[in-house]
Amino acid sequence: GAVVSQHPSWVICKSGTSVKIECRSLDFQATTMFWYRQFPKQSLMLMATSNEGSKATYEQGVEKDKFLINHASLTLSTLTVTSAHPEDSSFYICSARGAPYRAGRMAQYFGPGTRLTVL
Amino acid sequence: QKEVEQNSGPLSVPEGAIASLNCTYSDRGSQSFFWYRQYSGKSPELIMFIYSNGDKEDGRFTAQLNKASQYVSLLIRDSQPSDSATYLCAVINYNQGGKLIFGQGTELSVKP
Repeated sequence: GAVVSQHPSWVICKSGTSVKIECRSLDFQATTMFWYRQFPKQSLMLMATSNEGSKATYEQGVEKDKFLINHASLTLSTLTVTSAHPEDSSFYICSARGAPYRAGRMAQYFGPGTRLTVL
Repeated sequence: QKEVEQNSGPLSVPEGAIASLNCTYSDRGSQSFFWYRQYSGKSPELIMFIYSNGDKEDGRFTAQLNKASQYVSLLIRDSQPSDSATYLCAVINYNQGGKLIFGQGTELSVKP
């Protein structure tokens, strides 16, 4: 399967600071990237979808000014959590999907996740 | 009705047995179907995807799809303790935004 990396794997920051998380597709070009958040014992929650070169589409209830997403190239997307607060502490996971093949039957691969703790 | 439904489990099987995980979905326009495995504290890992009716086998895993019944399943043969995880069923309708719609996951426990 395809490989998606994330950096950092974990981060601890003080309340009010900003944190940037990088997501890279290592062996394929990701035309679409997704950002999820998962709290302990809960399901994955999609935060936003981004297509390369376009603005991200945010899910209802997700603050776009707080969670800045940039998908500047076919292999890199970044999520910046601005002015982080303790309630933003969570497991953030990116996911990438490649260009269509066989009439759009595209598989979606997940990165290893970034565990954010805001003190 | 949830868009994608799975039994939450836990499903407990002895080592060496066949584990059967089931999933139903409500959107008849769904086109691709995925099984992910998620270990506690880790991100989901793609195990299988299927888009045609019938069976698809990969090693100890077999995915089965029946679009008429809107049903997809995952069989794990010769279950191992290392298979103990939460298994997520996900479907996509590329004509409806192309977002993965996940079930709530089935927790599988393989007892030695």
